[in-house]
Amino acid sequence: EAQVTQNPRYLITVTGKKLTVTCSQNMNHEYMSWYRQDPGLGLRQIYYSMNVEVTDKGDVPEGYKVSRKEKRNFPLILESPSPNQTSLYFCASSSVPSGSLGGELFFGEGSRLTVL
Amino acid sequence: RKEVEQDPGPFNVPEGATVAFNCTYSNSASQSFFWYRQDCRKEPKLLMSVYSSGNEDGRFTAQLNRASQYISLLIRDSKLSDSATYLCVRSQGNLIFGKGTKLSVKP
Repeated sequence: EAQVTQNPRYLITVTGKKLTVTCSQNMNHEYMSWYRQDPGLGLRQIYYSMNVEVTDKGDVPEGYKVSRKEKRNFPLILESPSPNQTSLYFCASSSVPSGSLGGELFFGEGSRLTVL
Repeated sequence: RKEVEQDPGPFNVPEGATVAFNCTYSNSASQSFFWYRQDCRKEPKLLMSVYSSGNEDGRFTAQLNRASQYISLLIRDSKLSDSATYLCVRSQGNLIFGKGTKLSVKP
């Protein structure tokens, strides 16, 4: 089954404790991205990757890091989480750049993060 | 910067009703447009791409008006299962999501 898998799905942590949210896709997609979704603000892109070892900042990259060492994996790293990073996070992948027609984004089920 | 604006709703309609959502965008250079559907506490999923000439998929019709910079989604014969939040999305390289319009279809 084609899917995007994120872990953990739920996490409560404390300020400053480094954490990683993993993302893996089994569709051989080149394009992957991370979004956060907050009430009243909608979905905002954090980082994206066009291919292995190619990453770039999205609209709200501050406080986050990513890496793309393998095509299927795109982890999101919070080196020193703060309460304003409490949010619902989605990883997504697509076969072509998501702005193109035919570039359907496939989202993971989401990771709800709370930073105390 | 409000690049994609949607009426947040909620739209509360009875089963069988026809409902229309509009979405306005501010960047005239936007290339492609999409409607995504997001169920409560779930991930967004692509509902329709929006083509210049407008397109229809069963009970759903999407239209694009570049001159007035808006796209629309029409749902005919609403079903209970149509209850969700509908996200308007425009692209110009990257995707910009609207905040969504919530639809609630009642029996």
